[in-house]
Parts: sequence; C-alpha cells; structure tokens
Amino acid sequence: GAVVSQHPSWVICKSGTSVKIECRSLDFQATTMFWYRQFPKQSLMLMATSNEGSKATYEQGVEKDKFLINHASLTLSTLTVTSAHPEDSSFYICSARDTGTPVYGYTFGSGTRLTVV
Amino acid sequence: AQSVTQLGSHVSVSEGALVLLRCNYSSSVPPYLFWYVQYPNQGLQLLLKYTSAATLVKGINGFEAEFKKSETSFHLTKPSAHMSDAAEYFCAVSESGGYNKLIFGAGTRLAVHP
Repeated sequence: GAVVSQHPSWVICKSGTSVKIECRSLDFQATTMFWYRQFPKQSLMLMATSNEGSKATYEQGVEKDKFLINHASLTLSTLTVTSAHPEDSSFYICSARDTGTPVYGYTFGSGTRLTVV
Repeated sequence: AQSVTQLGSHVSVSEGALVLLRCNYSSSVPPYLFWYVQYPNQGLQLLLKYTSAATLVKGINGFEAEFKKSETSFHLTKPSAHMSDAAEYFCAVSESGGYNKLIFGAGTRLAVHP
C-alpha cells in the first residue's frame, strides 16, 4: 500500500533556530500534500495544503512566513519552522493524497515531535 | 462548511465488549467519511472509509461503520474489544471541491480494561 515517510520523527532545537521536516511519498506520486499540527490530547489542525510546483495554501491564522512549505517534486514536501519558539513545540503530521487511488486515498506520515527549548 | 462531531472524548470498555464510537457530520453535499486510529506518538492509520458505495463499510482489525444519511451519522463499531484497540480514534470528513482536505473531529480516546 501507499507509504508516506516523515523525518525526523523527533527533533529538539534551540529557540531562534529553524527546523526542516520532510514528507516523502515512497511508492506513489502525490500532487497534493497536507500539513497538520496536533497539540497534546487534541485533534489535528490543518495548517496548509501543499501542491507540487505551486505555492502552498495556508489555513486562516497560520503564519506563512513562519511555516515555510515547499513541494518541489511529486514525492517530497518540506515544512520549515523558521525562528522557532517554545510555543511552536508540537506534533506535526503530513498527509499525502495518492492520486492513483480510485477515491480519496490519504496516507499519513508517522509524525514529527518538535520541542523548542 | 463541513464539520464532524465526535460524541464522547473518552470511552471505556471491557475486553470482549462491544465498541461503539459515535460520529456525526454536517455536510451540504454527499460526504466522504473516514475513521482513523492513532497510537501514541504516531501518525494516523486508516481504519475504513465511506465513499458513497455500500453504506455498511468494513475496515481493518474487525471494525466497521454504517453511514446513515437520515441521522447524518457514521458510527464506528467492533463486536469484541481487544486490549490492542486502546488508542485515539478520529472521524473525518472530506471537504468537497478544492483540494479535498480532511476535516477531523476532536477524537475519542478508547480505553480497554481486562
């Protein structure tokens, strides 16, 4: 089945630095990828929709300059948290839509636990 | 706009008992509905999905869900709970048009007691 690889699985960084999270579709092409943020014991909040070769679409309230999304190929999307602060600490999850699946095949990565100290 | 409501943030059952996790949706168009399971510090795994075919959908690990348009519900059930079923469960609806992003419910934490 479709597999999405997300790296790193966890990262600790100092306040003010930037962190890049990668999301790769391993055995399918993903023209659309989604980035979610999840706070402890809460649901997933969609941050942005990433489309290959074009600018990402951000949800209301998400700072596009802080959360940079790049989807340069059909198998890779990256999320860069710039100038990270402790309040950016969270669990980030990507999802890719397998356009080869007949109907709405969404596959999720294993998530990245970001801790900013 | 579409939305999902999961009734009960916590559900506790005994091993071997029926599991029932409730999900109601709001949609002005025929929805696509999903149930996902999440184990601690992991991503989401698809249990099953409804995509306007059969109203009774069978998924993995013995789970199934029934789409009831009249009740705008998509409740998840399993006849006999297993200890390994303890996890967080999310119901989601696919937004029509655009990029078809998923809208998630708040989640239900299932605890299974011996």
